[in-house]
Amino acid sequence: DAGVIQSPRHEVTEMGQEVTLRCKPISGHNSLFWYRQTMMRGLELLIYFNNNVPIDDSGMPEDRFSAKMPNASFSTLKIQPSEPRDSAVYFCASSLIGTAAFFGQGTRLTVV
Amino acid sequence: AQSVSQHNHHVILSEAASLELGCNYSYGGTVNLFWYVQYPGQHLQLLLKYFSGDPLVKGIKGFEAEFIKSKFSFNLRKPSVQWSDTAEYFCAVNGMEYGNKLVFGAGTILRVKS
Repeated sequence: DAGVIQSPRHEVTEMGQEVTLRCKPISGHNSLFWYRQTMMRGLELLIYFNNNVPIDDSGMPEDRFSAKMPNASFSTLKIQPSEPRDSAVYFCASSLIGTAAFFGQGTRLTVV
Repeated sequence: AQSVSQHNHHVILSEAASLELGCNYSYGGTVNLFWYVQYPGQHLQLLLKYFSGDPLVKGIKGFEAEFIKSKFSFNLRKPSVQWSDTAEYFCAVNGMEYGNKLVFGAGTILRVKS
């Protein structure tokens, strides 16, 4: 299995632009998590899905952030408009409900 | 709200020293417990997990962890660390009563001096 696949690996964008991060979970997994990691705030859970349904989005910082999971093999995290403080590494992880989560390589986002 | 506490943010050890990293959680009910490691510039990787059974869990690279239910703790240990263990270590918890929400502690940065 290829593991959790995230794209792009690196993204540099200008403030105000829309950014879309993509994630392909491990085949057969039915939970998907989006995390953000920064030096200041550590690892934060933004949102997670069970069976493609958003269960808890209380970690989404504000309305500029949105996440979708249209099917079991794909999820997106969108930031519109982006701001410099959104600069971070964004990780996607997947699991079978109740078991260990496996992480993707992350997307390093820089907003200038 | 569910939370996970890791007692030490930075730990510095010499090679061959023993390691113990603390982790406490505040959950009711049945929990699953995990330790993850993040090497510099890399993603999080699973070190070990506890679901049920023997509370002493052995993981990869010589790590182990002990679940003590009465103390709500899941401390990570290694008898003799190596320079290559330099990394950040995260404790994580989920519980079916909480819809499988996987919550992480703040992490402990371990630096091993050679």
